[in-house]
Amino acid sequence: DVKVTQSSRYLVKRTGEKVFLECVQDMDHENMFWYRQDPGLGLRLIYFSYDVKMKEKGDIPEGYSVSREKKERFSLILESASTNQTSMYLCASTPGGGGRAWPQHFGDGTRLSIL
Amino acid sequence: GNSVTQMEGPVTLSEEAFLTINCTYTATGYPSLFWYVQYPGEGLQLLLKATKADDKGSNKGFEATYRKETTSFHLEKGSVQVSDSAVYFCALLRPNFGNEKLTFGTGTRLTIIP
Repeated sequence: DVKVTQSSRYLVKRTGEKVFLECVQDMDHENMFWYRQDPGLGLRLIYFSYDVKMKEKGDIPEGYSVSREKKERFSLILESASTNQTSMYLCASTPGGGGRAWPQHFGDGTRLSIL
Repeated sequence: GNSVTQMEGPVTLSEEAFLTINCTYTATGYPSLFWYVQYPGEGLQLLLKATKADDKGSNKGFEATYRKETTSFHLEKGSVQVSDSAVYFCALLRPNFGNEKLTFGTGTRLTIIP
């Protein structure tokens, strides 16, 4: 089974901090995704990557950046955390080249609170 | 653009009741349609899918039929159990090699009471 592991289940940070959310997948998938999940808004795509060192903006990239130095690891960075970034963050990966978006395998999520 | 409209929750049912969660979509071309489920404290899991009109996806007693004429993909289950309590997301994928994206609905929280 594909395993997508997010490093923290719960995280509490302060406004203005630089925050790193880590995601690792163990099935050599080419494509990786970061979403945020908010009540009443569903899942919204922040960034995705279809290859090492490649990244593409999703629907809501503002305030975020990403890093993909190795194929198995995709990091989401909040450059200067703000309270409106309090949310559940979900990482996902898919096999196949070219930015294929399905079938997506999800991690268990990181619930981030910015105080 | 592509969009998915899902029935607002929360939905609360008694065990063994019949479940319907409505989902309609807007998309050009021929999207694939999905239902995902998120159990408490977990990420999303694929529940079922349909890739073309009139296809019926089914899994764990849940079913959904891809209706192109009504642009709908409603989720149904004949007899729900307490273990079905979760958040359900409808989603669509419009194939576009090199620029695919899953578009999700807002989610419907389902609670089943014994």
